[in-house]
Formats: sequence, structure tokens, C-alpha cells
Amino acid sequence: DADVTQTPRNRITKTGKRIMLECSQTKGHDRMYWYRQDPGLGLRLIYYSFDVKDINKGEISDGYSVSRQAQAKFSLSLESAIPNQTALYFCATRGSGGYTFGSGTRLTVV
Amino acid sequence: GENVEQHPSTLSVQEGDSAVIKCTYSDSASNYFPWYKQELGKRPQLIIDIRSNVGEKKDQRIAVTLNKTAKHFSLHITETQPEDSAVYFCAARSYNNNDMRFGAGTRLTVKP
Repeated sequence: DADVTQTPRNRITKTGKRIMLECSQTKGHDRMYWYRQDPGLGLRLIYYSFDVKDINKGEISDGYSVSRQAQAKFSLSLESAIPNQTALYFCATRGSGGYTFGSGTRLTVV
Repeated sequence: GENVEQHPSTLSVQEGDSAVIKCTYSDSASNYFPWYKQELGKRPQLIIDIRSNVGEKKDQRIAVTLNKTAKHFSLHITETQPEDSAVYFCAARSYNNNDMRFGAGTRLTVKP
């Protein structure tokens, strides 16, 4: 079983729609992260959480929100999707062995 | 906050040659520097990391060097193989901020 699972794997949505990307982990890590990947820009941090009651903005949090429902679950929401949010989104957890990334969600906003 | 720059953006080498990717960082408080490999269509995976209390670390064909004074670190791959072809990302994590910033990535192509 995958230790960091993201759903959906692919999603196409329309401009203005609300969408949620979900992430769950079985590693038992407290620290979870959401990154977006764009060609030529690497991975940019959107939000991170160190436990259920701790949520922090990353470098590009505008237009996004998150929810840490449990230690194992960390969801990313786009309240009103726009085309420049088209990207590959990765969830990650952090433990003593470094970061473990999920398989990614490819989001297209049309 | 931390800013990480990575060069080159693309690198093409012949099988068996060495490849070097360089990164610079801005926050002198950064103390952890990992390197990730991302194969096409897959997730980034940690291949090696170094902490600020050492200057070099080696794992078989890959090595990382760190120059804290100059605030740069490099990935060295020797005896490259076609399966080394991937996008490589450097990153730096600040002791103060706890979040991690990534470089823009280097697409390495190893030609057989």
C-alpha cells in the first residue's frame, strides 16, 4: 500500500468551481505539506501543518486553503479555481528520513 | 525567507561521464540540504542529503558537497547510466522556518 496517498490522480475543473484535493498517510508523521509543481519553477510550498491544530502558510498560499482533519489527513481546497492554478500538486510528509511525497494530483482548470 | 537557485536547468552527458548540479541558498540559518530525483511521471524521491555540520557525503556513485561560507552545495554523479536520467531538485531547510524551499530543478539526460 502507498504510504502517502493522494486523490484524485487527475482532475479537470471549470473556472470558478470549488475543488478539494485529498491526502492521507500511513507513516504516522505529524508534519504534512502541500506543494505545487510547475515547469521551470520547481516545487513551491502552499501550506504546511505540524499537527492537527497547527496550520502555516507557505510561499504561495493565496487562493488556497487547507484542513488537517486528523494526523493522517491533510486536504487542500481551491475555493474558486482559476486557470493559473493548473499544475501538478504534491502532498508530502516529513519524518526522520526526510520527506515522502505522494504520487501527485494533476489539476487542470479550464 | 529562503531562496534556492539551481543550475543548470538542463544537462546532457554521455553514459559513463560525470554530472554536476549546483545550488545556492540565501538563508545562512539553513542547516539541511536534500536532493530529490523525479523520474518522468513519478513522485520526487530523496536520493541523498547533507547537514550543515559536514562538508561532504557520499553514497556509491552520488556525492554531495556543501560550502557553508559561500552558501552553495552540489550534487555529483559519477559513471552516469541511462537510468540516472530524471529531473533533480535541490532543497534547503532553515533551522528558523522549518519549511523547505526547492530549486527549480535540473533535467539530466544520460545518452547511451
